[in-house]
Amino acid sequence: QLQLQESGPGLVQPSETLSLNCTVSSGAISSTSHYWGWVRQPPGTGKGLEWIGNIYYSGSTYYNPSLKSRITLSIDTSKNQFSLKVTSVTAADTAVYFCARGWGGSYSRLDSWGQGILVTV
Amino acid sequence: DIQMTQSPSSLSASVGDRVTITCRASQTINSYLNWYQQRPGKAPKLLIYAASSLQTGVPSRFSGSGSGTDFTLTISSLQPEDFATYFCQQSYVTSYTFGQGTKVEIK
Repeated sequence: QLQLQESGPGLVQPSETLSLNCTVSSGAISSTSHYWGWVRQPPGTGKGLEWIGNIYYSGSTYYNPSLKSRITLSIDTSKNQFSLKVTSVTAADTAVYFCARGWGGSYSRLDSWGQGILVTV
Repeated sequence: DIQMTQSPSSLSASVGDRVTITCRASQTINSYLNWYQQRPGKAPKLLIYAASSLQTGVPSRFSGSGSGTDFTLTISSLQPEDFATYFCQQSYVTSYTFGQGTKVEIK
């Protein structure tokens, strides 16, 4: 069964760069049927989900327009891993960050998720 | 951006109740609508995709309907493990916006 695991620092200083990795196991990140994405959620019960962006095996990326100027997604097939960088972070970037696999065909959806990692700015 | 609005924001229900959650899109999204369940401290879990298709392994008490701008998630007989927050998400355009969530609580 596919597993995704986020990793990275839990505390980032304001104005610095947040960097997270997502390691995929029991499945190939090179799948042409899927894409790999990030979603975040402010801490606390009942807070909403915010889509950050997606990356395909080919390297094609799609970013949330509200974050586009500050985010970069990359993929490393040799490590079966994909990554997120957010520059110039503020307290508003404090959130639980989830990585996920998306179905890249018709009717896209996020069908497998990591457990999430809390990042505090 | 397409805005997704869920109602109600929260509801209280008893085990065995039929529960209905509504999601409205700010423009037509055909059937490009997904539903997720999130239990406290856990990652979201896909329940329904393409508005009405049940994800593999999800109990049949969950169902989805709708197209265009108005969608519904129904739980036919609420079970103890269904107390959670539910989110809708549009995948019509690649800025995959989510609804604000509906928290289902125990009455």
